[in-house]
Amino acid sequence: QVQLQESGPGLVKPSETLSLTCAVSGYSISSGYYWGWIRQPPGKGLEWIASIYHSGNTHYNPSLKSRVTISMDTSRNQFSLRVSSVTAADTAVYFCARLPTGDYYFDSWGQGTLVTVSS
Amino acid sequence: SYDLTQPPSVSVSPGQTASITCSGDTLGNRYASWYQQKPGQSPVLVIYHDNKRPSGIPERFSGSKSGNTATLTISGTQAMDEAEYHCQAWDSSTAVFGGGTKVTVL
Repeated sequence: QVQLQESGPGLVKPSETLSLTCAVSGYSISSGYYWGWIRQPPGKGLEWIASIYHSGNTHYNPSLKSRVTISMDTSRNQFSLRVSSVTAADTAVYFCARLPTGDYYFDSWGQGTLVTVSS
Repeated sequence: SYDLTQPPSVSVSPGQTASITCSGDTLGNRYASWYQQKPGQSPVLVIYHDNKRPSGIPERFSGSKSGNTATLTISGTQAMDEAEYHCQAWDSSTAVFGGGTKVTVL
């Protein structure tokens, strides 16, 4: 059974870059599936950020694309997210998740990690 | 941008049926998925491909779609079903979520 675990700093200063990693166990990310990031500001709904396939193919939320980079490290079986020039509006719980290849739903999620943007 | 609209809240008595709607332009041509999220937890997939239930999800959860509106139905609602429910679809390689519906079991 696949398990996903997010990690990264819980506090980031405004204008700096937020970096998160999702470690995957129970499945080799190089074998398939899309892998993605979704966030949820406190008290608000879910917002998809980006997804990446093992081939390196990526998709980004147009509203965040200019500040976001998703990448994959198959040797460590993990994928990562970077969000640059963060503001208080980027404060959220960040989830990593798995998306079956060619399909339209997220079937496994990490527990989420809270990132606060504050000086 | 593509939007999915859900009611902010739905109330239901134990044992009764709760229905949560999700509306969006051309949703009739897209697959809808539904997620259950309890406070402090990550979302759990309860319905995909409009009406398919993942293994381990109770039969009281069902999905349907009519025109551009998808509906999640919880039959014989239990106290443990109190949660936020999110619908989701894809538009041009972009995943879109609805605003979420808080289901309260009174």
